[in-house]
Amino acid sequence: GENVEQHPSTLSVQEGDSAVIKCTYSDSASNYFPWYKQELGKRPQLIIDIRSNVGEKKDQRIAVTLNKTAKHFSLHITETQPEDSAVYFCAASWDAGGTSYGKLTFGQGTILTVHP
Amino acid sequence: KAGVTQTPRYLIKTRGQQVTLSCSPISGHRSVSWYQQTPGQGLQFLFEYFSETQRNKGNFPGRFSGRQFSNSRSEMNVSTLELGDSALYLCASSFWREGPRADTQYFGPGTRLTVL
Repeated sequence: GENVEQHPSTLSVQEGDSAVIKCTYSDSASNYFPWYKQELGKRPQLIIDIRSNVGEKKDQRIAVTLNKTAKHFSLHITETQPEDSAVYFCAASWDAGGTSYGKLTFGQGTILTVHP
Repeated sequence: KAGVTQTPRYLIKTRGQQVTLSCSPISGHRSVSWYQQTPGQGLQFLFEYFSETQRNKGNFPGRFSGRQFSNSRSEMNVSTLELGDSALYLCASSFWREGPRADTQYFGPGTRLTVL
């Protein structure tokens, strides 16, 4: 089955700096890659996602890049703010039905701390 | 639209008991997935339901089961509780367009289950 590795497990930055979180996946059939942000005691919330027919997607301060050949994708947060502090999860899925229905395989998470 | 809701939010049970958790998806969403979140194992897929049918199942023992009703509300049941079942149980709903295509999953707030 699919396996997703996420690095680093913790990341500490100063306000205004950029933060990068990287994930690698094992199943070359995966073609949908969402990123979730989970604040303490709250539900995971989708912040951005990308499909395999696109190499990069950007939404204001957040961007995701995908390299299908290397099977890795990355989250980039620019101009970080203290409210960006949370746990970030990457995930992978694929559009073939069957054993993929409704299943996201998650990375282990990255605790991001943005210091004022 | 109202978001995904889960009840109860907190549960304390003892070993050997059984528990039922409930999830109400976003109106119009037909797919409900369940995940277990623990500090050690992260977010792990339990199962997914669509149109009252389980379409996919993760690697959990048979003590974990679920069902979906005609209004898309879903329940999961854990029988013969073990200490290791203590976790945050999250459900996520998605619209699921026709044909195989991974849609955005929107998470509920979770049910925190503690097994003593």
